[in-house]
Parts: sequence; structure tokens; C-alpha cells
Amino acid sequence: EIVLTQSPATLSLSPGDSATLSCRASQSVGTYLAWYQQKPGQAPRLLIYAVSNRATGIPARFSGSGSGTDFTLTISGLEPEDVAVYYCQQRSDWPSFGGGTKVEIK
Amino acid sequence: QVQLVQSGAEVKKPGASVKVSCKASGYTFTNYDINWVRQVPGQGLEWVGWLSLHSGSTGYAQKFLGRVTITRDTSLSTTYMELDRLRSEDTAVYFCMREVRQWRRANDIWGQGTMVTVSS
Repeated sequence: EIVLTQSPATLSLSPGDSATLSCRASQSVGTYLAWYQQKPGQAPRLLIYAVSNRATGIPARFSGSGSGTDFTLTISGLEPEDVAVYYCQQRSDWPSFGGGTKVEIK
Repeated sequence: QVQLVQSGAEVKKPGASVKVSCKASGYTFTNYDINWVRQVPGQGLEWVGWLSLHSGSTGYAQKFLGRVTITRDTSLSTTYMELDRLRSEDTAVYFCMREVRQWRRANDIWGQGTMVTVSS
């Protein structure tokens, strides 16, 4: 099983700040890495697939990067509606998810 | 409109079984695969299993082997996740998701979730 470790657990920032979320895999996942956003009481929503491709309708302030075992989700210019928990997920093997990073607004 | 609509909340006693459905609409059912995950309230996402809607092949997380069965009815564009021998620790929201092979198997459409409560 591929284990994904996300950091930090919580990120508290001001509107307009840039948020940097990290996801590290226990072994290489190639480009089979996606990011999801989950708001309270809702199903997760796909933000990024194949490391750096934005899903349909996702604002340009969301971007993904990385390779192999280390990946980053960046939110440039944080907005109040970005308050959520963000999960990374790999599909190089059977799916697994990171533990999530909670993004809060100060 | 492309969507996955799941069946309603369930309350079950320990030792019972639950079967959750996930109906697809707005796209060609057999062109995609389906994953099931669960989420204990306040916790993260845990993968349960996978189904190829084209071939019917399945794959299950080690943790659930022998207790979970994922099936499909192509005539109804519906997939099912059945979990047997329920325990209190199975209390969670269960989600189905559409997996897109061309997008490195990311999950682009999610069902609304089904709350399964296991309580005596």
C-alpha cells in the first residue's frame, strides 16, 4: 500500500495569502496524483489531476506541481470560499488518500 | 447533467449487512470505472473498492476483503456496494466516484454520500 503524508495538518492564513500544501508518497506514484477539496457537509471535489492539470471549472489560483514522491498544491490569493480540507490521492496502485490539510482563514 | 445519485441513509444493527446503490446519469455508464470510499465523521477518506463497469472486474482494499462486494447492473446504470458483518466502526459516510482513465484515474464525479449508522 502506498502511504501519502500531508503537511501541515492545519494552515491558517489571511485572505490574499498564498497557501502551500504538501503531499509526500512512500514510493514513487509517477503522475498518478490528484488533489480534492472538501467543504463541510459536502462530497469532495476534484481540483487537480495528473499532478498539475486543473479539472473543469477550477479557478486558475489553484495549481499543482511535483514529481515522483513529492507534490505541492498552491492556492495563490486565498479567498474565503477556499476554507476547506484538501486531500491528495494516488492511483499508481490501488487508491490511497493523504490525511488532509485543513485551510482556515485568519 | 453528469451525476451519481446514491441511495438514502441506513441504520443497521451489528452483524447485519448493508447495500448502498449509486445510479449514474448523463454519460455512457460502461466507459468509466467506479470507486467506493468511506469517511468516518470528522476523519479522512478511506478507499473501499473498485469496479470496472466495462468488464465487471473488482478490486478491494485488504481491510475489507471477504466483507465487501461491489457489483453493477448495466441495464440500470447502477453500481452497488454491499458490506457484511457490520460493526460499529463501519459507521461512516460512503461515497461512490467516477474514475477517469484518461486523467490518470482521477475521480471527477462524486455521489452525494450515504450515511450508514451501525448501532444496537
